[in-house]
Amino acid sequence: KAGVTQTPRYLIKTRGQQVTLSCSPISGHRSVSWYQQTPGQGLQFLFEYFSETQRNKGNFPGRFSGRQFSNSRSEMNVSTLELGDSALYLCASSRNTDTQYFGPGTRLTVL
Amino acid sequence: ILNVEQSPQSLHVQEGDSTNFTCSFPSSNFYALHWYRWETAKSPEALFVMTLNGDEKKKGRISATLNTKEGYSYLYIKGSQPEDSATYLCAFKRGNEKLTFGTGTRLTIIP
Repeated sequence: KAGVTQTPRYLIKTRGQQVTLSCSPISGHRSVSWYQQTPGQGLQFLFEYFSETQRNKGNFPGRFSGRQFSNSRSEMNVSTLELGDSALYLCASSRNTDTQYFGPGTRLTVL
Repeated sequence: ILNVEQSPQSLHVQEGDSTNFTCSFPSSNFYALHWYRWETAKSPEALFVMTLNGDEKKKGRISATLNTKEGYSYLYIKGSQPEDSATYLCAFKRGNEKLTFGTGTRLTIIP
């Protein structure tokens, strides 16, 4: 079974730009969660989607948004990028609310 | 805001020695406690998901216990090997809320 895939793996943007990250879950998994990891911080939860509906949301500004498609693939969008948005963005899929299977992450650098 | 605390933050252990570390979480409305291993340059990998007070799980040389009444879980590694070097993350889930991660224990095995 193919694992969780994320594209792109690396991304460099400048302040003020916007970015879209993509996540394809394991086949059969309907839940996709997004996390941000910055140096010294744990995994910070962004949001969770289940069957195209946002089920939970973390404490991030409205510049961070996401969506899930009918095939369970998910995208995350960050608008008006700030330097502090530089981070590793991980997505994880699961069948429902159990074990999370993580993708390799997208490393975003904002200059 | 849920506080999930892990201790110690980092640990150096001689190869062959056994070790353990702690995850503390709120004891109210417990749903599940997860443990993940995150090796450098890889994705976090699930070790255990525990849901019942008194749960004990084992995977090879790694085991975990759970006390939901007092809000803690221990992860044990017996006979540490260099491949055990990683950051170990615990994550707590309360009800239908999001999974909240601790900041991890960084384990280094000294050959």
